[in-house]
Amino acid sequence: GAVVSQHPSWVICKSGTSVKIECRSLDFQATTMFWYRQFPKQSLMLMATSNEGSKATYEQGVEKDKFLINHASLTLSTLTVTSAHPEDSSFYICSARGRDYTDTQYFGPGTRLTVL
Amino acid sequence: SQKIEQNSEALNIQEGKTATLTCNYTNYSPAYLQWYRQDPGRGPVFLLLIRENEKEKRKERLKVTFDTTLKQSLFHITASQPADSATYLCALSYGGSQGNLIFGKGTKLSVKP
Repeated sequence: GAVVSQHPSWVICKSGTSVKIECRSLDFQATTMFWYRQFPKQSLMLMATSNEGSKATYEQGVEKDKFLINHASLTLSTLTVTSAHPEDSSFYICSARGRDYTDTQYFGPGTRLTVL
Repeated sequence: SQKIEQNSEALNIQEGKTATLTCNYTNYSPAYLQWYRQDPGRGPVFLLLIRENEKEKRKERLKVTFDTTLKQSLFHITASQPADSATYLCALSYGGSQGNLIFGKGTKLSVKP
């Protein structure tokens, strides 16, 4: 149980384009989903937290107009990187926490974004 | 602000030995502490959670301790195997409605046959 998927697993795009990453909880309802970014040899840094049906809460320093998060249902959240630039290249990972797993976050496999 | 330190960036041990990884934090104790395993290019996989009122937790070959006086958690893998080679992350949470996790940088464990 508690499986989280992400799509795509990797994406390469040109500078200035937008990229959408999907995060799905496959076998449980995720009341809260989290988006993280991880640079090489660094720890996971929380970008934002979203509760189903509510606006996302962004961490300090994360531009909400650049990283659009939608949590439209209890099993799906999307992160859209708008007008991507090379410095946005990173490993983006989502996690989900459900009603039955209130203290544990289950992570997706991650999405490698490369902006040329 | 809260700081988390996983003392060793890398740890090399021989197969069959016990691996011990350390996680230290500053300031006040979290409601609970979690350990994750992360393989290269993959998301973290949840291993164990220990609460502030628990001293020790076990799961198969894994053992976690939590000492709120020392502000430290130890993560042990007994009878280590080459398949245990990965980066292990410590994460703190203060609970509540958000329950956000604060991650350490991880310790890369290599188990040599």
